[in-house]
Amino acid sequence: KAGVTQTPRYLIKTRGQQVTLSCSPISGHRSVSWYQQTPGQGLQFLFEYFSETQRNKGNFPGRFSGRQFSNSRSEMNVSTLELGDSALYLCASSFLDSEETQYFGPGTRLLVL
Amino acid sequence: KNEVEQSPQNLTAQEGEFITINCSYSVGISALHWLQQHPGGGIVSLFMLSSGKKKHGRLIATINIQEKHSSLHITASHPRDSAVYICAVGGGSQGNLIFGKGTKLSVKP
Repeated sequence: KAGVTQTPRYLIKTRGQQVTLSCSPISGHRSVSWYQQTPGQGLQFLFEYFSETQRNKGNFPGRFSGRQFSNSRSEMNVSTLELGDSALYLCASSFLDSEETQYFGPGTRLLVL
Repeated sequence: KNEVEQSPQNLTAQEGEFITINCSYSVGISALHWLQQHPGGGIVSLFMLSSGKKKHGRLIATINIQEKHSSLHITASHPRDSAVYICAVGGGSQGNLIFGKGTKLSVKP
């Protein structure tokens, strides 16, 4: 069974731009969670989607948004990029919710200049 | 104070040593996860436990719900165990995972 895939793997943007990251979960998994990892803050929860609905949201500004499609693939968008948004963005999938064992993708490393 | 605290932050061991990484949490949880992150970023889920003890190969994870404490043990450590080990708890009021800062383990041959 294919693992979780994320695209792109690396991205360089400038301040003020917007970015869209994509995550394809393991086949059959319906829950997709997104996380931001920075050296200073570590791993932080962004949001969780299940059956095309946002089920939980972390403490991030409204510039961070996401969605999930009917095939469970998910995208997250960050608008008006700031230098502090430079991070590794990870998505993880599970059958039903984020409290189960989660399977992580390789991440998208975003650098904002 | 962070809701999930790990210790130590950094750990260097010689190959073959027994290793313990600790995790304490202050919130009510339904499950605790141990994750492994290798250089390059990939994260692998090692254990999910809500009580007692689990073992997988040379790895053992224990949890004490009353004391809000979990430990990850590595027996007969090997250089390939070098990674960051992250404790995460789930089941809090927000329904999402809360992560510790991680323990960076380096095992020398």
